[in-house]
Amino acid sequence: DAGVIQSPRHEVTEMGQEVTLRCKPISGHNSLFWYRQTMMRGLELLIYFNNNVPIDDSGMPEDRFSAKMPNASFSTLKIQPSEPRDSAVYFCASSLNYYEQYFGPGTRLTVT
Amino acid sequence: SQQGEEDPQALSIQEGENATMNCSYKTSINNLQWYRQNSGRGLVHLILIRSNEREKHSGRLRVTLDTSKKSSSLLITASRAADTASYFCATDDSWGKLQFGAGTQVVVTP
Repeated sequence: DAGVIQSPRHEVTEMGQEVTLRCKPISGHNSLFWYRQTMMRGLELLIYFNNNVPIDDSGMPEDRFSAKMPNASFSTLKIQPSEPRDSAVYFCASSLNYYEQYFGPGTRLTVT
Repeated sequence: SQQGEEDPQALSIQEGENATMNCSYKTSINNLQWYRQNSGRGLVHLILIRSNEREKHSGRLRVTLDTSKKSSSLLITASRAADTASYFCATDDSWGKLQFGAGTQVVVTP
């Protein structure tokens, strides 16, 4: 298996632009998680899905953030408009029945 | 908010030595997991210990859990340079929502 796939690996954008991060979970996994990691705040859970349904989005910082999971093999995290404080590494992870999570390589986002 | 808090924040040891790090948490848990993160990479699951277990082994890893003290420890025996990484504990509520600590940064020098 290829593991969790995230794209792009690096994204540099200007403030105010829309950013879309993509994730392909491991085939057969039924839960998907989006995290954000910064030096200041550590690893934060933004939102997670179970069977493509959002279960808890309480970690989404603002309405500028949105996430979708249209099918079992694809999810997006969108930031619109982006701000410099959104600069972070964004991880997607998937799991089967809420056990160990498998993380993707992350997307390093820089908003200037 | 972070549920687990690791201690120490950083640890520097030589190859062959054992590394021990601790994790304390605040609320009741379903299970506790440990993850490793190499610089610039995603987290890798190491071991899961359930709330009704007290000790678990996996290769050179040994994890203990004391639910009365709300604490866990991770021991890496006979450390290697390749063990250099950050180690995170994560607590799991019944919905599988993990809350990660700030991590312990371990440096193993040859």
